[in-house]
Amino acid sequence: KNQVEQSPQSLIILEGKNCTLQCNYTVSPFSNLRWYKQDTGRGPVSLTIMTFSENTKSNGRYTATLDADTKQSSLHITASQLSDSASYICVVRTDSWGKLQFGAGTQVVVTP
Amino acid sequence: DAGVIQSPRHEVTEMGQEVTLRCKPISGHDYLFWYRQTMMRGLELLIYFNNNVPIDDSGMPEDRFSAKMPNASFSTLKIQPSEPRDSAVYFCATSASGRGAAGELFFGEGSRLTVL
Repeated sequence: KNQVEQSPQSLIILEGKNCTLQCNYTVSPFSNLRWYKQDTGRGPVSLTIMTFSENTKSNGRYTATLDADTKQSSLHITASQLSDSASYICVVRTDSWGKLQFGAGTQVVVTP
Repeated sequence: DAGVIQSPRHEVTEMGQEVTLRCKPISGHDYLFWYRQTMMRGLELLIYFNNNVPIDDSGMPEDRFSAKMPNASFSTLKIQPSEPRDSAVYFCATSASGRGAAGELFFGEGSRLTVL
């Protein structure tokens, strides 16, 4: 069973609207959690990192939250743009590089 | 910065042929990872190196896969013989150790492999 579950699997939103992606994890021990954005045909790029003590972090129109008690994270996209169309992958790091746990990703499509 | 450079970007080959994928890491990065991405399984770690030494190759599917890192600026992933189920996008990613790095992976653009 995957230790990092993302929802929804995909979503379609209108340009200018907001959306929220979810990531639930059972990984332990927890070191940090990153959200990556992967454009079609490209490699993933880190958007934000959350450590145990952080609740909220923003990167432009992207805002990530972390609840370490419930082991949940979310990524909120504000005022979506066409360039936000991509797959968003949640990655949780434990105590070693070999134990990075990847979510399956949420495919976001922003339509005009 | 040039970023992580992978070649070839696309490879189409026939079953049974040898495939070699190449990666040039970001200068100064001491960790190098090979991942495979498919629709069914997402991103899977195949092997990673630290200072050119293989640390964990437990993700390598079978003996047909091998990876080398002869120096700090070059790594290869070889599949011999290739099979149709090896069709996937193969990513090389690198990272730098140290407190400031916090484990960010820098991915290349990937090598899309199709085995007919």
